[in-house]
Amino acid sequence: DTEVTQTPKHLVMGMTNKKSLKCEQHMGHRAMYWYKQKAKKPPELMFVYSYEKLSINESVPSRFSPECPNSSLLNLHLHALQPEDSALYLCASSLSTGVHEQYFGPGTRLTVT
Amino acid sequence: RKEVEQDPGPFNVPEGATVAFNCTYSNSASQSFFWYRQDCRKEPKLLMSVYSSGNEDGRFTAQLNRASQYISLLIRDSKLSDSATYLCVVTLEYGNKLVFGAGTILRVKS
Repeated sequence: DTEVTQTPKHLVMGMTNKKSLKCEQHMGHRAMYWYKQKAKKPPELMFVYSYEKLSINESVPSRFSPECPNSSLLNLHLHALQPEDSALYLCASSLSTGVHEQYFGPGTRLTVT
Repeated sequence: RKEVEQDPGPFNVPEGATVAFNCTYSNSASQSFFWYRQDCRKEPKLLMSVYSSGNEDGRFTAQLNRASQYISLLIRDSKLSDSATYLCVVTLEYGNKLVFGAGTILRVKS
């Protein structure tokens, strides 16, 4: 089973709202990732967690705050977003970082109004 | 120079055709290589890993040339269901980062 789940599927939020995106996997993977994908563009890496510790932050603005409560869960807390942050947010996981394949969740389509 | 470059596409081919996609990468330290496919408004799905010895999975064959920093994907006997965007992906920073090419659109028509 190579399933990564994400909730919600769609999210509309105002610029003053606080919301969270959730990601879960039960494959025993120890690396989890957040990506952002704009229309007609490839995914862009935002954060990497390895063994529940943040290992890469690709200079993401602080209005995006990741959290890894345990090895199966990954959250992305959103606060004071801008309309240009509207995108598909993808979570992925892999056995560990390194040469292993990453498996993606279906994504959360975020619209900031 | 982009880290991963792919054929611009789109490729419009009839069912049953053979189609080849090419990809080049700029960082010689890249360790792992993959092809993903992405359907419209869906997540990327792993199609296959790419090894120096080449690998085949049914109608799909992937090749890696480390000396030329070149990756290819060959699809034989194209099906309508192969229509998607194909993403060439390499890893950087000891495998911690996936870097995606811009993708090539394939449209298979009956």
